[in-house]
Amino acid sequence: AQSVTQPDIHITVSEGASLELRCNYSYGATPYLFWYVQSPGQGLQLLLKYFSGDTLVQGIKGFEAEFKRSQSSFNLRKPSVHWSDAAEYFCAVGAGSGGYQKVTFGTGTKLQVIP
Amino acid sequence: GAGVSQSPSNKVTEKGKDVELRCDPISGHTALYWYRQRLGQGLEFLIYFQGNSAPDKSGLPSDRFSAERTGESVSTLTIQRTQQEDSAVYLCASSYQGAFTDTQYFGPGTRLTVL
Repeated sequence: AQSVTQPDIHITVSEGASLELRCNYSYGATPYLFWYVQSPGQGLQLLLKYFSGDTLVQGIKGFEAEFKRSQSSFNLRKPSVHWSDAAEYFCAVGAGSGGYQKVTFGTGTKLQVIP
Repeated sequence: GAGVSQSPSNKVTEKGKDVELRCDPISGHTALYWYRQRLGQGLEFLIYFQGNSAPDKSGLPSDRFSAERTGESVSTLTIQRTQQEDSAVYLCASSYQGAFTDTQYFGPGTRLTVL
C-alpha cells in the first residue's frame, strides 16, 4: 500500500522568502503525485499533479514541484511567498486500485507567513 | 456547474444520536469519495462510489457508518449512535470518472462535533 510522509508539521517563512515543503512517498510502482492546499474554512484545492514526463511540474499560484524517483520525494517550492499563501498543504499519492484512483494523503504542513 | 457542495457546514450533536451528512458532486462526475479529517491528521479515505454503487467501502471505520448515493448525484454519509471519536471534518470529493489521472475536486467539508 502507498504512504506519504510530510516531515514538517509547521513552517514559518517571511513574506518574499522562498519556500520548500517536503514530501516523501512510498509506492511500489510509478506513483501519481499531487499537492493540495487547504485554506481556513475551505476545501482542498489542487495545486499541481505529476503523472509522467517532465519531473518538474508547474502549478497554480506560482508553485512548482519536482519528482525525484531516487529520493522518493515530491517537494513543493515557491520562489517568493505571499501572505495569502498561508494555509495547510497536503501531499498525496494516487494509485490505481481495482480500476479506480485511490489517493493517500500526508498529514499536512501548516504554513505561516510573517510580514 | 458549481463546485462540490456539502451540508451542513457544521453539525453539533450529542453522543448516541444519528447524523446525516450530504454531498452534492459536480454535475457529470460519476466518481465520488468521502474522507475524514481528524484534527492534526491527514485525510482518511472512507468510501468510493462509481455511479450509485460503492466498489470500495474499505475505509468505513465501523458498521455505524454507512453511505448511499442516488444515481450519479447526491450522496449521504450516515453515522449512527455517534461517539466522541467521530468528531472530525468530513470531506467529499468528486472526479469525472475516477480514472487514475482524474483530479478530485473537494467540497468545503462538514465539521462534526460530538459532545
